[in-house]
Amino acid sequence: AQSVTQLDSQVPVFEEAPVELRCNYSSSVSVYLFWYVQYPNQGLQLLLKYLSGSTLVKGINGFEAEFNKSQTSFHLRKPSVHISDTAEYFCAVSGQTGANNLFFGTGTRLTVIP
Amino acid sequence: IAGITQAPTSQILAAGRRMTLRCTQDMRHNAMYWYRQDLGLGLRLIHYSNTAGTTGKGEVPDGYSVSRANTDDFPLTLASAVPSQTSVYFCASSVEAGPGNTIYFGEGSWLTVV
Repeated sequence: AQSVTQLDSQVPVFEEAPVELRCNYSSSVSVYLFWYVQYPNQGLQLLLKYLSGSTLVKGINGFEAEFNKSQTSFHLRKPSVHISDTAEYFCAVSGQTGANNLFFGTGTRLTVIP
Repeated sequence: IAGITQAPTSQILAAGRRMTLRCTQDMRHNAMYWYRQDLGLGLRLIHYSNTAGTTGKGEVPDGYSVSRANTDDFPLTLASAVPSQTSVYFCASSVEAGPGNTIYFGEGSWLTVV
């Protein structure tokens, strides 16, 4: 089975500052990795995903993440955040075979301070 | 484009009562899912359906049942609600059931069992 650890439950950051949200995974098999964003009172929306190929993945809203197999990490970054980036961010993992079952981390609450 | 529609949006339910959360998607996706979201636990898979006519158990299936009579609808039933089932429930879907397929989420149903 797979699991995900999001090391920070809350990350406050000033507007226009860079941010990194950390995600580490555990799996005995090769994985696919995802970042989802949840705005207040809404469902989750895919930011980006890593399936194969380049380890640097670019997503929507200026976010990117880097897959690091040796460190089993998939940290999310943005060079300059906006107020509108305030949301909950979830890292998720699935195996590369079998059912399409995502295992989610507990989430990181990003608060952008004006 | 409606995407995934969940009903009700919110509900307060007496313990012991039966409740069905409805989910309809208009994207003709083959696979559908039900997740519950709890503070500090992230999202956990309750049940899934890889295609119409089939269902499977996720991480936390106890106390819940599902059916998939057609492609569009995937209702979740709580046969006899208990307070520990107080949660936000998300219906989701993907084009196919295989891993790596992007999962799309509904807006959620807030359920309080008292």
